Amino acid sequence: DQQVKQNSPSLSVQEGRISILNCDYTNSMFDYFLWYKKYPAEGPTFLISISSIKDKNEDGRFTVFLNKSAKHLSLHIVPSQPGDSAVYFCAASAGQMQGAQKLVFGQGTRLTINP
Amino acid sequence: GAGVSQSPSNKVTEKGKDVELRCDPISGHTALYWYRQSLGQGLEFLIYFQGNSAPDKSGLPSDRFSAERTGGSVSTLTIQRTQQEDSAVYLCASSSRGGRETQYFGPGTRLLVL
Repeated sequence: DQQVKQNSPSLSVQEGRISILNCDYTNSMFDYFLWYKKYPAEGPTFLISISSIKDKNEDGRFTVFLNKSAKHLSLHIVPSQPGDSAVYFCAASAGQMQGAQKLVFGQGTRLTINP
Repeated sequence: GAGVSQSPSNKVTEKGKDVELRCDPISGHTALYWYRQSLGQGLEFLIYFQGNSAPDKSGLPSDRFSAERTGGSVSTLTIQRTQQEDSAVYLCASSSRGGRETQYFGPGTRLLVL
């Protein structure tokens, strides 16, 4: 039972254009969402997060949008740079302000930025 | 270094053998997590340690899996009588105090059970 789904295993975007990575979830109890970025042979690194009380969070070139009614979130990268080429994981958690934040991850999307 | 470290980076073992995976969290981080990523899947939560509290073992897939954290720092994940379905990348993460504090991941241990 995949509670967090990233339906695109890969995405290729030209340098300078916008990259849009999508994520869908099924558990209505999820109230905190994160994006992680992973380079080969390294662990995932935190990129950006959003609480369910918001519908948008922006940090430099990265913006996360949350559509609670559709149970959908997306990560926008503008403009895309070659260093953004990596695997991006969407993750979610439910009501864990303290204690274990048990992140539930999607399968990941491999983003390739072409020069 | 200042990050989370894990050893070994790769482990090949025969079905039925026991394996131990090690995690060194970021110094001062009280919360420690183990996850695993099977082929084609997202990361799956296994176990959580926070300070001296009893660990949250709710994600462990079977009683062949166990973990301990000594002295509130280094953690060891042990898999007994390994099976081929245990083949995965095992990732450790730490955070300053659990909750919604950012989890910092190590590079993982790639386990292959033949």
